Amino acid sequence: VQLVQSGAEVKKPGESLKISCKGSAYRFSTYWIGWVRQVPGKGLEWMGNIYAGDSDVRYSPSFRGQVIISVDKSIDTAYLQWNSLKASDTAMYYCARVWGQQLANAFDIWGQGTMVTVSS
Amino acid sequence: SYELTQPPSVSVSPGQTATITCSGDKLGDKDASWYQQKPGQSPSLVIYEDTKRPSGIPERFSGSNSGNTATLTISGTRAMDEADYYCQTWGNSAVVFGGGTKLTVL
Repeated sequence: VQLVQSGAEVKKPGESLKISCKGSAYRFSTYWIGWVRQVPGKGLEWMGNIYAGDSDVRYSPSFRGQVIISVDKSIDTAYLQWNSLKASDTAMYYCARVWGQQLANAFDIWGQGTMVTVSS
Repeated sequence: SYELTQPPSVSVSPGQTATITCSGDKLGDKDASWYQQKPGQSPSLVIYEDTKRPSGIPERFSGSNSGNTATLTISGTRAMDEADYYCQTWGNSAVVFGGGTKLTVL
């Protein structure tokens, strides 16, 4: 069971970006997937969870309207998207599977992380 | 919004017991989880539902949760346990992480 994320990105302010998280070796569509931000040297921040089966999304109030979380269950892949990046979006982004089928459970499997750098 | 508070740092000697606390309003009424993160690595789950260990996590890791405090205990701490530890729960319809505790094994 693993989650494999897309590679590091370097972008300019104002650019758009979509990063991915592909699940394997488990029934992807029956689990929630979460996205977590970690600014270098800082702690973990929850961004939102999406249910892979029906694309039901729950956003953190801090990130609602700032990012878009989506999923394509036909290819077992979740996405995190920005329409207009800011320098403050520079961070490592992790996807993680929610254990069991309940939204509020712990994250039991984590991706390797995608580093996003936004700089002019 | 719901908040979880952890001490920024904890130090322990090898072989001793390390205790990391996580405080939140009526946290004992919720499920608490703990994650370990070593430098340059993704977080990994070490305790879920207050006391349960995922497969592969050593028995020296244990958890408890009562009142306003969840506790991660590492018995017989080893140098390899040196890492950042984060508590997490679900509060006010959101995932909440504590600020993290850096465990130093001296």
